[in-house]
Amino acid sequence: KQEVTQIPAALSVPEGENLVLNCSFTDSAIYNLQWFRQDPGKGLTSLLLIQSSQREQTSGRLNASLDKSSGRSTLYIAASQPGDSATYLCAVLQGAQKLVFGQGTRLTINP
Amino acid sequence: ETGVTQSPTHLIKTRGQQVTLRCSSQSGHNTVSWYQQALGQGPQFIFQYYREEENGRGNFPPRFSGLQFPNYSSELNVNALELDDSALYLCASSLSGAGNEQFFGPGTRLTVL
Repeated sequence: KQEVTQIPAALSVPEGENLVLNCSFTDSAIYNLQWFRQDPGKGLTSLLLIQSSQREQTSGRLNASLDKSSGRSTLYIAASQPGDSATYLCAVLQGAQKLVFGQGTRLTINP
Repeated sequence: ETGVTQSPTHLIKTRGQQVTLRCSSQSGHNTVSWYQQALGQGPQFIFQYYREEENGRGNFPPRFSGLQFPNYSSELNVNALELDDSALYLCASSLSGAGNEQFFGPGTRLTVL
């Protein structure tokens, strides 16, 4: 059974810092990995998608890496801003249908 | 291009009642997946619909059922509501095919009293 773990559960940093969020998964038989952002009480916004054959993806200040063999992904956020405050979720696509999510990292950027 | 929409936004029901949630997929997408997100947790996969047929199901009882219509929109029905069904219900649409990105709607917040 696939299990996805995100560490830390919560993170608070001052504005301008670079930071890394971690995601690990137990079964390497995945189709892809997605990072999402969720604001309180809202839906999910897709940030980055990494296919299983890829190693990393970049979008603006965000960079996500994938090491399928070790079951790890990281989301790097450069020059953090207060507007980056949200919960960040990683999810792996398994069986071509089912996204399996971690519990998320709640990020607070302090001005 | 129209994104994924869901209705209603919020819903309050009492234990034992039935509820129907609706989802319109993103333009051009033919696959809809439903997820349940309890407070403070990651979303859990309920089921997926493709070509109006259930195409995979998570660990949810049969009182959770769904439909997909020819225009690819979808409904989630929950019978005999329980207190633990209180959650944010998320719909995601995608193109069929392995590895395609899922795009999520804003969700429906269901409260069961």
